[in-house]
Amino acid sequence: AQKITQTQPGMFVQEKEAVTLDCTYDTSDPSYGLFWYKQPSSGEMIFLIYQGSYDQQNATEGRYSLNFQKARKSANLVISASQLGDSAMYFCAMREDETGANNLFFGTGTRLTVIP
Amino acid sequence: ETGVTQTPRHLVMGMTNKKSLKCEQHLGHNAMYWYKQSAKKPLELMFVYNFKEQTENNSVPSRFSPECPNSSHLFLHLHTLQPEDSALYLCASSQGGYKRGYGYTFGSGTRLTVV
Repeated sequence: AQKITQTQPGMFVQEKEAVTLDCTYDTSDPSYGLFWYKQPSSGEMIFLIYQGSYDQQNATEGRYSLNFQKARKSANLVISASQLGDSAMYFCAMREDETGANNLFFGTGTRLTVIP
Repeated sequence: ETGVTQTPRHLVMGMTNKKSLKCEQHLGHNAMYWYKQSAKKPLELMFVYNFKEQTENNSVPSRFSPECPNSSHLFLHLHTLQPEDSALYLCASSQGGYKRGYGYTFGSGTRLTVV
């Protein structure tokens, strides 16, 4: 079974608007970490934000916030005030702290296009 | 620059060639990884090295051979590849072991085309 599911292959958003990228995960580990990465056309994976499974509050990093709903096993990324430079692939990933501390499981990604 | 450098950025090779991909990090990280990224598929972990020791080989065919001479350098030696091996190969590094909150730092990848 897929550990990380991203159901949106592509998303469009108007510049300066907010957008939500969906991510659901599957694990039986009580302790895990959730990550979002951005991959521009240059290829490198850029770390955006992290949420630990025991964190009480949703993570925020500048214009990025993570809407963590543990019971629903979802970890959606919210980008506020979109900019043209936000156009890229976005990947959700999970690390299971007890069974696979060295392995990040990735989803298939969402291609975000910001429209001027 | 992320601190993880991969060379070459692009590589075209025939199925009978032998080539190597190189990854270098100067972040003081102790763990290094090779990932394969194919179109429309999740990133696939290939190899993991912790403190220069290989700790994971994710059922990768033997035509891919990793080498980690020290904590800062990682190589992927390629020989007799198949066209389906064409992909973006990403190197990453991290603090290693279990460090809560630590993600990976990735390089820009090597775009490999096997002809």
